[in-house]
Amino acid sequence: DTAVSQTPKYLVTQMGNDKSIKCEQNLGHDTMYWYKQDSKKFLKIMFSYNNKELIINETVPNRFSPKSPDKAHLNLHINSLELGDSAVYFCASSPRDRGLAGAKNIQYFGAGTRLSVL
Amino acid sequence: AQKVTQAQTEISVVEKEDVTLDCVYETRDTTYYLFWYKQPPSGELVFLIRRNSFDEQNEISGRYSWNFQKSTSSFNFTITASQVVDSAVYFCALSEFSGGSNYKLTFGKGTLLTVNP
Repeated sequence: DTAVSQTPKYLVTQMGNDKSIKCEQNLGHDTMYWYKQDSKKFLKIMFSYNNKELIINETVPNRFSPKSPDKAHLNLHINSLELGDSAVYFCASSPRDRGLAGAKNIQYFGAGTRLSVL
Repeated sequence: AQKVTQAQTEISVVEKEDVTLDCVYETRDTTYYLFWYKQPPSGELVFLIRRNSFDEQNEISGRYSWNFQKSTSSFNFTITASQVVDSAVYFCALSEFSGGSNYKLTFGKGTLLTVNP
């Protein structure tokens, strides 16, 4: 029943490792996003995909590579993990443009993945 | 560049008190959207409300109400008769209207609301 689901919920790993976080939405939305929430709770967008096409890339290190096999999935792969990558990563999705009053751009978030790099 | 300021880092109230969370924004766009999200201790982000820049009507939903004033670039959120379950971090966010289907949310730093019994 979960609308936007992320796995895993918790991820603990060593510096230098490579890890992936998966995201799936069953809302039929066209657009998906990745946000990073740091230890001070600050939320910042990382990427946005529309129908498998990368639209927004907010100066994220190229160790982070999003992959969208289809419009219902947006996975995040991180190479050579660093201590500073420790954060909560949120996936979100939003529906197609429906004009000014439409439901578009309301972003629905997953429960988050807490990544701890040791 | 867009900016959202939530000047109140933390607020603590006693149950049944009314509380207002402030949000001030900056944007050069004439068409934009404002949001409030709630992040309870369990960590998920819950959508509460969206307003577009042409709709300045205040909105009430149960104990929640929102006051949007373009003249002061503010979008404040009031909880009436607060309850312990309202304890959470509340985020105000801004999104520009650029057409298509992609909207970047710019978040404020959040206000931690603690409602004590």
